[in-house]
Amino acid sequence: DAGITQSPRHKVTETGTPVTLRCHQTENHRYMYWYRQDPGHGLRLIHYSYGVKDTDKGEVSDGYSVSRSKTEDFLLTLESATSSQTSVYFCAISPRSETYEQYFGPGTRLTVT
Amino acid sequence: RKEVEQDPGPFNVPEGATVAFNCTYSNSASQSFFWYRQDCRKEPKLLMSVYSSGNEDGRFTAQLNRASQYISLLIRDSKLSDSATYLCVVNSPYDKVIFGPGTSLSVIP
Repeated sequence: DAGITQSPRHKVTETGTPVTLRCHQTENHRYMYWYRQDPGHGLRLIHYSYGVKDTDKGEVSDGYSVSRSKTEDFLLTLESATSSQTSVYFCAISPRSETYEQYFGPGTRLTVT
Repeated sequence: RKEVEQDPGPFNVPEGATVAFNCTYSNSASQSFFWYRQDCRKEPKLLMSVYSSGNEDGRFTAQLNRASQYISLLIRDSKLSDSATYLCVVNSPYDKVIFGPGTSLSVIP
């Protein structure tokens, strides 16, 4: 196992509320990623981080923000949740030793009602 | 054209069969290629990297054709436990990778 945990694992929330998902790694890897996975779209990158306080947008970043104040934690915030953000969210880490291999956490199932 | 495309599937094969998946990518500058498997309601897991010379891991063989920009995965002697979705992954600029949509495999007793 790659030493990645995500919390919460399941969450139901109401439209308009803020939601924060947490990804925690024990590997001390530099690169961390947040993806969402939806039927018909596959895995899509939301945001990623290449170091503490260093983050960048992915292809579906609207409505999401991230923060990384420690190497081991990467937080994803839905500023005002919408029903279109109902999805499965995966965090991934990459050792980046001249490769692009990524290792995934178990995922968070988020339902916005 | 999508950056990474895969056979749409699903593939339904009997136990013991050989099955091949194909994947094409659009960025000729891509250098790293992978196959992941994803079980239902689980996270994707790295199955194998794909090297220029081709590589084999037990019943699994991956090949890369840079000229045609495609990657293949061959599974021999299919087992029930091979039933999953197989994702083709290709690196893109700026430390990112692109995931294909996946091909579903069901191995039938």
